[in-house]
Amino acid sequence: EDKVVQSPLSLVVHEGDTVTLNCSYEVTNFRSLLWYKQEKKAPTFLFMLTSSGIEKKSGRLSSILDKKELFSILNITATQTGDSAVYLCAVPKGYSGGGADGLTFGKGTHLIIQP
Amino acid sequence: EADIYQTPRYLVIGTGKKITLECSQTMGHDKMYWYQQDPGMELHLIHYSYGVNSTEKGDLSSESTVSRIRTEHFPLTLESARPSHTSQYLCASGSGTTSHGYTFGSGTRLTVV
Repeated sequence: EDKVVQSPLSLVVHEGDTVTLNCSYEVTNFRSLLWYKQEKKAPTFLFMLTSSGIEKKSGRLSSILDKKELFSILNITATQTGDSAVYLCAVPKGYSGGGADGLTFGKGTHLIIQP
Repeated sequence: EADIYQTPRYLVIGTGKKITLECSQTMGHDKMYWYQQDPGMELHLIHYSYGVNSTEKGDLSSESTVSRIRTEHFPLTLESARPSHTSQYLCASGSGTTSHGYTFGSGTRLTVV
């Protein structure tokens, strides 16, 4: 059974700090790993990672994958109160790993940025 | 600007009632999904569809049923609601590959009393 474990489960930091969120996985047929941000209700897509060592970057957010050690990290630099959210890590289900069969999610990291 | 719509956003209903949660998307995606999420817990896949007339059960056992008569519409039905069905239900759609992730709706928060 596929498994995704995120840490920490919750994190409180001050505005301007840098945070690192962790995601480890065990999957039968790994193809990719996805990061989502969930504020209030709907998760919104951040990154998809498929190759080891290649950093994906979007503004102050960046993510990297280590396929040998089976983990990914999500970094947020110069945090702002608007970054407060639950950050979810997920891997595609199914034999093909392509994602048509849905995603297996971790429990998420609840990040709170204090002013 | 949402391209996938869920209604209602909130629903409080009595035990034994039949309910249908609506999900519609305007992106022409073949693949659609229903996830259940309890507070502080991970999303669990309960149903999915590859396309019209296709429905599959997910990992989490659910007493709900789904249908896919039209590409854009993927409703979820509970024939007889129970307090154990109290949860948040999230609908998502995708093109079948994960290159752009899935698009999620805003969810329905269901409370069965």
